[in-house]
Amino acid sequence: DAGVIQSPRHEVTEMGQEVTLRCKPISGHNSLFWYRQTMMRGLELLIYFNNNVPIDDSGMPEDRFSAKMPNASFSTLKIQPSEPRDSAVYFCASTKEGARNQPQHFGDGTRLSIL
Amino acid sequence: GDSVTQMEGPVTLSEEAFLTINCTYTATGYPSLFWYVQYPGEGLQLLLKATKADDKGSNKGFEATYRKETTSFHLEKGSVQVSDSAVYFCALRDGSGYALNFGKGTSLLVTP
Repeated sequence: DAGVIQSPRHEVTEMGQEVTLRCKPISGHNSLFWYRQTMMRGLELLIYFNNNVPIDDSGMPEDRFSAKMPNASFSTLKIQPSEPRDSAVYFCASTKEGARNQPQHFGDGTRLSIL
Repeated sequence: GDSVTQMEGPVTLSEEAFLTINCTYTATGYPSLFWYVQYPGEGLQLLLKATKADDKGSNKGFEATYRKETTSFHLEKGSVQVSDSAVYFCALRDGSGYALNFGKGTSLLVTP
């Protein structure tokens, strides 16, 4: 079975540029999460979608960050304009909601470097 | 709010040594508890889980017991291998929530 697929795996860009990260959740999963991982802050939840609807975006750092889920098989996380402090590994995870002990399945992440 | 505290790393062990990584939590209600493992350059993978007090999760020789009285979920393995070198994350999900609260992670290095 295909797992959560993220692209690109690595992104290096200059500050001020727009960055778009992509995620394809596992087929049949109805919940999707975007996380950011840094050495200083560990894993932080940015936003949570359920049935394609954003439920909790309280973790989104600021207005420069936006996320969409136009359908059940695709989500994007966009940063515009990007800043060096946005450099991190961004993970997407999905799960099938309905039982509280269902684990989240993670993609391999996008390593983002803003110069 | 809910939180997870893990022992600081890095932990360095020789092959075949006994491993313990401590994890304690603070939560209201009755959370589910998880251990995830992250190998270099990869995402997090579920290692094991426990959903109620006294449950023991186990996988690949790793074990952890949900201890409500001590609010702990320590990870143990009797004999580690070089291939176990990774970062280990303890996490909880409360009964009414959807999000995982992760600890900071503990880096493990196993040397031959």
